[in-house]
Amino acid sequence: DSGVTQTPKHLITATGQRVTLRCSPRSGDLSVYWYQQSLDQGLQFLIQYYNGEERAKGNILERFSAQQFPDLHSELNLSSLELGDSALYFCASSVLAEHNEQFFGPGTRLTVL
Amino acid sequence: AQSVTQLGSHVSVSEGALVLLRCNYSSSVPPYLFWYVQYPNQGLQLLLKYTTGATLVKGINGFEAEFKKSETSFHLTKPSAHMSDAAEYFCAVSEGGTYKYIFGTGTRLKVLA
Repeated sequence: DSGVTQTPKHLITATGQRVTLRCSPRSGDLSVYWYQQSLDQGLQFLIQYYNGEERAKGNILERFSAQQFPDLHSELNLSSLELGDSALYFCASSVLAEHNEQFFGPGTRLTVL
Repeated sequence: AQSVTQLGSHVSVSEGALVLLRCNYSSSVPPYLFWYVQYPNQGLQLLLKYTTGATLVKGINGFEAEFKKSETSFHLTKPSAHMSDAAEYFCAVSEGGTYKYIFGTGTRLKVLA
């Protein structure tokens, strides 16, 4: 158990819908990362927050957005969902903003029908 | 720009044989390098990391990796494979000042009895 929690574990929805994925980092970790893992794209870095502020952006679509709240939990919002958005979404946390070990949550499996 | 290349998306070894998973990186500044392992239906967990200092890094479960600057490589090895080592392994690089992790495409290790 990494100490990072993600909800929900599984999510099934339809094209065009909007969903919110939630992540609670390990106690004491200030940095949160979001990743998308799919068979064809592999593990893709989406976005990173540090202590409430966006720090780095990766291959995140404009239909996706994220935020980190004052209690340090984070949410990833996915809108206008497409079939290709079906993937595993991981959240990871670390103590500092860079170079530290990342602790990964168990992931949320999103299926878009 | 930093990048990571993992040679071989699938590697098979016999139980008790040497495990060698290859990782080459590209970075304009001294990199921080990581190996993560992902077991089925789980998030990633850190095996080992190189930041500075000794170039031979020992990790969990008997794995080690050597940072070779001249070859821009960070290959992962284990002297004797165990059935429980079957998993997917990811090499990652973090470059100072960017806050971004770049993950390789992963190598799926199969251990044959």
